[in-house]
Amino acid sequence: DAMVIQNPRYQVTQFGKPVTLSCSQTLNHNVMYWYQQKSSQAPKLLFHYYDKDFNNEADTPDNFQSRRPNTSFCFLDIRSPGLGDAAMYLCATSEQWKETQYFGPGTRLLVL
Amino acid sequence: DAKTTQPPSMDCAEGRAANLPCNHSTISGNEYVYWYRQIHSQGPQYIIHGLKNNETNEMASLIITEDRKSSTLILPHATLRDTAVYYCIVRVSPSGGSNYKLTFGKGTLLTVNP
Repeated sequence: DAMVIQNPRYQVTQFGKPVTLSCSQTLNHNVMYWYQQKSSQAPKLLFHYYDKDFNNEADTPDNFQSRRPNTSFCFLDIRSPGLGDAAMYLCATSEQWKETQYFGPGTRLLVL
Repeated sequence: DAKTTQPPSMDCAEGRAANLPCNHSTISGNEYVYWYRQIHSQGPQYIIHGLKNNETNEMASLIITEDRKSSTLILPHATLRDTAVYYCIVRVSPSGGSNYKLTFGKGTLLTVNP
């Protein structure tokens, strides 16, 4: 089945140690998104790619970066994780100009 | 995007219809109403969307008032697996690669009871 895959489902890192979360999709969608969802809060968009064009949300901290080497893969890099970055990170995709976003299961990040 | 207001929580008996309200009194003429849900520890899932006409699909029905200031998501026969947070989102439909953003509010936690 076509889907959005996130690995790993749980990631533990140390304070200040760079970490990379990965997302892949078999839907061949143009747009890929990264959301952050802290405990008991709604998902919040960090940035998105429209093909190779990167679009950062104005309030996304510089500590968060992203890479999209090809259509299928997108990575979220956290350069120096702080305790406040512990959250669920959700990847989503959408076909250009279409309304529906398809979400992966998320990666829960724990910062020690 | 217009702001939405939803009750924080609702209960529903299994097998009965669940009616989830959403107020969006500042909605603009070109803004759609979208519903997503998020089952615990999973990513959000698209349910349905509409502009001004009522919509129905295999998951739910969406009833939008004539003045478009409020809407109701209806799950006709709720099951235990429908227990989730339901988000009502208002936004302009994407076009030309723009208007991509989903802004999630607090949503409604629907608990379906046996």
